[in-house]
Amino acid sequence: QSVLTQPPSVSGAPGQRVTISCTGSSSNIGAGYDVHWYQQLPGTAPKLLIYGNSNRPSGVPDRFSGSKSGTSASLAISGLQAEDEADYYCQSYDSSLSGSGWVFGGGTKLTVL
Amino acid sequence: QVQLVQSGAEVKKPGSSVKVSCKASGGTFSSYAISWVRQAPGQGLEWMGGIIPIFGTANYAQKFQGRVTITADESTSTAYMELSSLRSEDTAVYYCAREVTMIAEGIYYFDYWGQGTLVTVSS
Repeated sequence: QSVLTQPPSVSGAPGQRVTISCTGSSSNIGAGYDVHWYQQLPGTAPKLLIYGNSNRPSGVPDRFSGSKSGTSASLAISGLQAEDEADYYCQSYDSSLSGSGWVFGGGTKLTVL
Repeated sequence: QVQLVQSGAEVKKPGSSVKVSCKASGGTFSSYAISWVRQAPGQGLEWMGGIIPIFGTANYAQKFQGRVTITADESTSTAYMELSSLRSEDTAVYYCAREVTMIAEGIYYFDYWGQGTLVTVSS
Protein backbone atom coordinates (compact mmCIF):
# COMPACT_ATOMS: atom_id res chain seq x y z
CA GLN A 1 0.00 0.00 0.00
CA SER A 2 1.69 3.20 -1.20
CA VAL A 3 1.46 6.42 0.77
CA LEU A 4 0.57 8.35 -2.40
CA THR A 5 -2.30 7.09 -4.56
CA GLN A 6 -2.11 6.91 -8.35
CA PRO A 7 -4.38 5.21 -10.88
CA PRO A 8 -2.85 1.88 -11.95
CA SER A 9 -3.19 2.67 -15.63
CA VAL A 10 -4.12 5.32 -18.15
CA SER A 11 -4.17 5.23 -21.93
CA GLY A 12 -4.48 7.54 -24.88
CA ALA A 13 -4.04 7.68 -28.61
CA PRO A 14 -1.06 9.38 -30.24
CA GLY A 15 -1.48 13.13 -30.20
CA GLN A 16 -3.96 13.10 -27.32
CA ARG A 17 -3.54 14.52 -23.83
CA VAL A 18 -3.63 12.40 -20.69
CA THR A 19 -3.37 13.24 -17.01
CA ILE A 20 -2.17 11.16 -14.10
CA SER A 21 -3.31 12.04 -10.61
CA CYS A 22 -1.42 11.65 -7.35
CA THR A 23 -3.34 11.93 -4.09
CA GLY A 24 -1.67 12.32 -0.72
CA SER A 25 -2.62 13.56 2.73
CA SER A 26 -1.98 16.23 5.32
CA SER A 27 1.35 14.67 6.29
CA ASN A 28 2.90 14.86 2.84
CA ILE A 29 1.52 16.85 -0.11
CA GLY A 30 -0.97 18.69 2.09
CA ALA A 31 1.81 19.63 4.51
CA GLY A 32 3.43 21.70 1.78
CA TYR A 33 6.00 19.25 0.50
CA ASP A 34 6.54 19.46 -3.23
CA VAL A 35 5.62 16.69 -5.65
CA HIS A 36 8.02 15.25 -8.20
CA TRP A 37 7.49 12.87 -11.09
CA TYR A 38 9.61 10.12 -12.58
CA GLN A 39 9.33 8.22 -15.85
CA GLN A 40 10.46 4.61 -15.91
CA LEU A 41 10.85 2.98 -19.29
CA PRO A 42 10.75 -0.83 -19.33
CA GLY A 43 13.88 -2.36 -17.84
CA THR A 44 15.49 0.95 -16.95
CA ALA A 45 16.00 3.10 -13.88
CA PRO A 46 13.54 5.89 -13.09
CA LYS A 47 14.32 9.26 -14.65
CA LEU A 48 13.39 12.62 -13.16
CA LEU A 49 10.61 14.15 -15.25
CA ILE A 50 9.17 16.98 -13.14
CA TYR A 51 10.57 18.50 -9.95
CA GLY A 52 9.16 21.09 -7.59
CA ASN A 53 5.58 20.41 -8.72
CA SER A 54 5.94 21.91 -12.16
CA ASN A 55 9.57 22.31 -13.22
CA ARG A 56 11.16 20.33 -16.04
CA PRO A 57 14.82 19.32 -15.95
CA SER A 58 16.86 20.22 -19.00
CA GLY A 59 16.01 17.92 -21.89
CA VAL A 60 12.46 17.06 -20.84
CA PRO A 61 10.00 18.15 -23.55
CA ASP A 62 7.44 20.80 -22.68
CA ARG A 63 4.72 18.27 -23.53
CA PHE A 64 5.14 17.20 -19.90
CA SER A 65 3.71 19.46 -17.23
CA GLY A 66 2.91 19.18 -13.55
CA SER A 67 0.68 20.89 -11.04
CA LYS A 68 -0.23 20.65 -7.38
CA SER A 69 -3.27 21.71 -5.39
CA GLY A 70 -4.12 20.91 -1.80
CA THR A 71 -3.34 17.27 -1.10
CA SER A 72 -3.09 16.26 -4.77
CA ALA A 73 -0.93 16.69 -7.81
CA SER A 74 -1.21 15.91 -11.49
CA LEU A 75 1.06 15.11 -14.38
CA ALA A 76 -0.19 16.02 -17.84
CA ILE A 77 1.26 14.70 -21.06
CA SER A 78 0.10 16.37 -24.25
CA GLY A 79 0.74 15.35 -27.84
CA LEU A 80 1.18 11.72 -26.80
CA GLN A 81 3.91 9.80 -28.57
CA ALA A 82 4.66 6.10 -28.69
CA GLU A 83 7.89 6.66 -26.77
CA ASP A 84 5.90 8.01 -23.80
CA GLU A 85 4.69 4.50 -23.02
CA ALA A 86 6.17 3.89 -19.58
CA ASP A 87 5.45 3.76 -15.87
CA TYR A 88 5.11 7.09 -14.09
CA TYR A 89 5.65 7.64 -10.38
CA CYS A 90 4.90 10.61 -8.17
CA GLN A 91 7.06 11.25 -5.12
CA SER A 92 6.96 13.57 -2.14
CA TYR A 93 8.12 13.70 1.46
CA ASP A 94 6.14 12.58 4.46
CA SER A 95 6.48 13.68 8.04
CA SER A 96 4.27 12.05 10.65
CA LEU A 97 4.44 10.80 14.21
CA SER A 98 5.64 7.42 12.97
CA GLY A 99 8.62 8.93 11.20
CA SER A 100 9.74 10.93 8.19
CA GLY A 101 10.92 9.95 4.77
CA TRP A 102 10.57 9.92 1.04
CA VAL A 103 7.33 8.46 -0.29
CA PHE A 104 6.15 7.32 -3.71
CA GLY A 105 2.92 6.60 -5.47
CA GLY A 106 2.24 3.07 -6.63
CA GLY A 107 2.94 4.00 -10.23
CA THR A 108 0.77 4.45 -13.30
CA LYS A 109 1.29 2.50 -16.50
CA LEU A 110 0.71 4.66 -19.56
CA THR A 111 -0.33 2.82 -22.69
CA VAL A 112 -0.23 4.63 -26.03
CA LEU A 113 -2.94 3.05 -28.15
CA GLN B 1 27.69 14.65 -15.98
CA VAL B 2 26.90 12.83 -12.75
CA GLN B 3 26.96 9.04 -12.95
CA LEU B 4 26.09 6.45 -10.34
CA VAL B 5 27.39 2.99 -11.16
CA GLN B 6 26.21 0.08 -9.06
CA SER B 7 27.66 -3.35 -8.42
CA GLY B 8 26.39 -6.44 -10.21
CA ALA B 9 23.51 -8.81 -9.60
CA GLU B 10 23.52 -11.02 -6.52
CA VAL B 11 21.88 -14.32 -5.59
CA LYS B 12 21.56 -14.91 -1.86
CA LYS B 13 20.18 -17.54 0.48
CA PRO B 14 17.41 -16.69 2.94
CA GLY B 15 18.87 -15.46 6.22
CA SER B 16 22.06 -14.14 4.67
CA SER B 17 23.13 -10.55 3.94
CA VAL B 18 23.87 -8.60 0.79
CA LYS B 19 25.97 -5.50 0.28
CA VAL B 20 25.45 -3.36 -2.82
CA SER B 21 27.77 -0.55 -3.86
CA CYS B 22 27.15 2.69 -5.72
CA LYS B 23 30.13 4.60 -7.11
CA ALA B 24 29.60 8.25 -8.00
CA SER B 25 31.48 10.28 -10.57
CA GLY B 26 31.14 13.66 -12.23
CA GLY B 27 29.98 15.55 -9.15
CA THR B 28 30.94 16.47 -5.60
CA PHE B 29 30.18 13.25 -3.78
CA SER B 30 30.29 14.58 -0.24
CA SER B 31 27.92 17.47 -0.88
CA TYR B 32 24.90 15.37 -1.72
CA ALA B 33 23.05 12.67 0.14
CA ILE B 34 22.59 9.27 -1.46
CA SER B 35 19.43 7.27 -0.96
CA TRP B 36 18.56 3.67 -1.67
CA VAL B 37 15.25 2.78 -3.29
CA ARG B 38 14.07 -0.70 -4.11
CA GLN B 39 11.56 -2.11 -6.58
CA ALA B 40 10.18 -5.61 -6.20
CA PRO B 41 9.22 -7.43 -9.42
CA GLY B 42 6.22 -5.73 -11.00
CA GLN B 43 5.88 -3.38 -8.04
CA GLY B 44 6.45 0.28 -7.25
CA LEU B 45 9.33 2.19 -5.73
CA GLU B 46 10.12 2.06 -2.02
CA TRP B 47 12.57 4.32 -0.18
CA MET B 48 14.85 2.44 2.22
CA GLY B 49 17.12 5.11 3.63
CA GLY B 50 19.88 7.56 2.84
CA ILE B 51 23.21 8.97 3.94
CA ILE B 52 25.01 12.29 3.78
CA PRO B 53 28.62 11.27 3.08
CA ILE B 54 30.20 14.40 4.55
CA PHE B 55 28.53 13.73 7.89
CA GLY B 56 28.43 9.95 7.69
CA THR B 57 24.99 9.94 9.23
CA ALA B 58 22.27 7.72 7.82
CA ASN B 59 18.53 7.72 8.27
CA TYR B 60 16.30 4.77 7.52
CA ALA B 61 12.70 4.08 6.67
CA GLN B 62 10.95 2.62 9.68
CA LYS B 63 10.21 -0.59 7.78
CA PHE B 64 13.92 -1.35 7.38
CA GLN B 65 15.22 -0.12 10.74
CA GLY B 66 17.54 -2.71 12.25
CA ARG B 67 17.95 -4.64 9.03
CA VAL B 68 19.61 -2.13 6.70
CA THR B 69 22.91 -0.33 7.05
CA ILE B 70 23.91 2.47 4.69
CA THR B 71 27.48 3.71 4.66
CA ALA B 72 29.69 5.88 2.48
CA ASP B 73 33.40 6.07 1.70
CA GLU B 74 34.35 9.59 0.68
CA SER B 75 37.81 8.49 -0.46
CA THR B 76 36.29 6.36 -3.23
CA SER B 77 33.02 8.31 -3.71
CA THR B 78 31.12 5.12 -3.03
CA ALA B 79 27.97 4.48 -1.04
CA TYR B 80 26.95 1.06 0.24
CA MET B 81 23.71 -0.55 1.29
CA GLU B 82 23.77 -3.73 3.34
CA LEU B 83 20.54 -5.63 3.98
CA SER B 84 20.56 -8.49 6.46
CA SER B 85 18.27 -11.38 7.38
CA LEU B 86 17.23 -11.67 3.77
CA ARG B 87 13.90 -13.27 2.89
CA SER B 88 12.24 -14.03 -0.41
CA GLU B 89 10.26 -10.79 -0.23
CA ASP B 90 13.56 -8.88 -0.48
CA THR B 91 13.98 -10.03 -4.07
CA ALA B 92 14.06 -6.74 -5.92
CA VAL B 93 16.07 -4.29 -7.97
CA TYR B 94 17.92 -1.94 -5.64
CA TYR B 95 18.70 1.56 -6.88
CA CYS B 96 20.91 4.25 -5.45
CA ALA B 97 19.86 7.82 -6.17
CA ARG B 98 21.28 11.26 -5.49
CA GLU B 99 19.09 13.41 -3.27
CA VAL B 100 18.28 17.05 -3.82
CA THR B 101 17.08 18.50 -0.53
CA MET B 102 15.87 22.05 0.15
CA ILE B 103 14.41 21.78 3.61
CA ALA B 104 13.07 25.34 3.89
CA GLU B 105 11.22 24.97 0.60
CA GLY B 106 9.93 21.47 1.36
CA ILE B 107 11.69 20.08 -1.68
CA TYR B 108 13.07 16.55 -1.61
CA TYR B 109 13.70 14.64 -4.84
CA PHE B 110 16.19 12.43 -6.68
CA ASP B 111 17.98 13.86 -9.68
CA TYR B 112 20.30 11.01 -10.68
CA TRP B 113 19.83 7.27 -10.38
CA GLY B 114 22.10 4.25 -10.61
CA GLN B 115 21.34 1.54 -13.14
CA GLY B 116 19.97 -0.81 -10.47
CA THR B 117 21.19 -4.06 -8.92
CA LEU B 118 19.01 -7.16 -8.95
CA VAL B 119 19.14 -9.07 -5.70
CA THR B 120 17.51 -12.49 -5.81
CA VAL B 121 16.82 -14.29 -2.54
CA SER B 122 16.24 -17.97 -3.07
CA SER B 123 17.02 -21.23 -1.36
